[in-house]
This record gives sequence, structure tokens and C-alpha cells, in this order.
Amino acid sequence: NAGVTQTPKFQVLKTGQSMTLQCAQDMNHNSMYWYRQDPGMGLRLIYYSASEGTTDKGEVPNGYNVSRLNKREFSLRLESAAPSQTSVYFCASSEAEREAFFGQGTRLTVV
Amino acid sequence: AQSVTQLDSQVPVFEEAPVELRCNYSSSVSVYLFWYVQYPNQGLQLLLKYLSGSTLVKGINGFEAEFNKSQTSFHLRKPSVHISDTAEYFCAVSPWGASKIIFGSGTRLSIRP
Repeated sequence: NAGVTQTPKFQVLKTGQSMTLQCAQDMNHNSMYWYRQDPGMGLRLIYYSASEGTTDKGEVPNGYNVSRLNKREFSLRLESAAPSQTSVYFCASSEAEREAFFGQGTRLTVV
Repeated sequence: AQSVTQLDSQVPVFEEAPVELRCNYSSSVSVYLFWYVQYPNQGLQLLLKYLSGSTLVKGINGFEAEFNKSQTSFHLRKPSVHISDTAEYFCAVSPWGASKIIFGSGTRLSIRP
């Protein structure tokens, strides 16, 4: 029962570098999400995907791109990392508006 | 658009005391409501959810919440807390017909022995 798997768990980037955070779920869920968590700000929605082939902007999409590669996978890309993107990133999946299942998070530091 | 307000960023309570964590939301459409818990250095897990029906919902670990439509609130309660309840708690809403989930800023519950 893997659930939602995120890779990597930790990453340090230099300002201006690019990287892709990977997320895969094995629960056959249609909806997938990317959030960032910062102290005192809760979880803020970056992008979400209601189904394979569709993506929509959330609350804080600037500086990020996403790809819903297939029903299982939803990746988040930082094209040119900035220190303001230092955060913990969570991927989640759900069936429509029901309960979301979360990965263990990726702790990203941009120096 | 939807928003979620958790009025208390931190709530300290003594062990075995009751606790209430407050959540208010704003939405132009009907919503589903959730409470999640996050233990240190872990992801989030569901405590309870309101989809429809009875406005009092019970969750895991003895928690319950009551949906109040007129006050647009979904407060979380537990009659007697334990040290193991120390965690951060998040209220969330998901609007009907839209596959997105919006979270509040969280309430850190600290339990004193």
C-alpha cells in the first residue's frame, strides 16, 4: 500500500537552477494536487489536476509548472528556483472532492 | 473563491482538559469540510469529514466536529486530550463540483502534562 509517493525527500538548489518534483499515486484517483507548506501559512495550493490531461492554477502558481503525465503521475517543475521557493512541498490525490491522501513531503531549500 | 480561517495559531491545554479548535470558512457555493492532523515531520492524515447528513461528525482519536451552516463554521472538539494529540491541525474546504481543496493556516495544539 504505497499510496502517494514523492521524490526526492530532500533537495538543495542554487538560485536559478531548475528541478522537477515527482509524485505518483496508486489509488486510481482522478484528482491530484501540489501544495507548499510554510510556517504560519498552512498549506497553499499551487496547482491541481481534476483528471488526466487537465491542470489548473491554485492560489500560488507563479514560478511553477506542472505536468499530469498520466492518471498516476503529477510532476511539479521549478524552472528557475528562487529563495522564496524554499518550502516543504506536498503532493496529494483524491477521488473528486473527497478525502485527500498526502505524500510524505519534499523539503526544498534554495540558497 | 473559497477561504478558510483558523482563528487560533496556537492552543495550549492541559492533559485531560477539553479543547476546541475553531474554523470558519467563506464560499459562494456549498462545500465539503475536513479536518486534517499533521504530526511532526509527517504528512497530513484525515481526522474527519463532513459531506452531508448529520451536522455532528465523529472522527478518529475521539475528535468530533460540528458543521454550522448559518455561521459558516466547522469547529473541532475533543472532551479530553492526551499528550499524543500534540500536533498541528488543519481545517479544509472543497467546493462542490470543483476538484480543489483549500486549507486554513493551521492550529498548533500543545498539551501540557
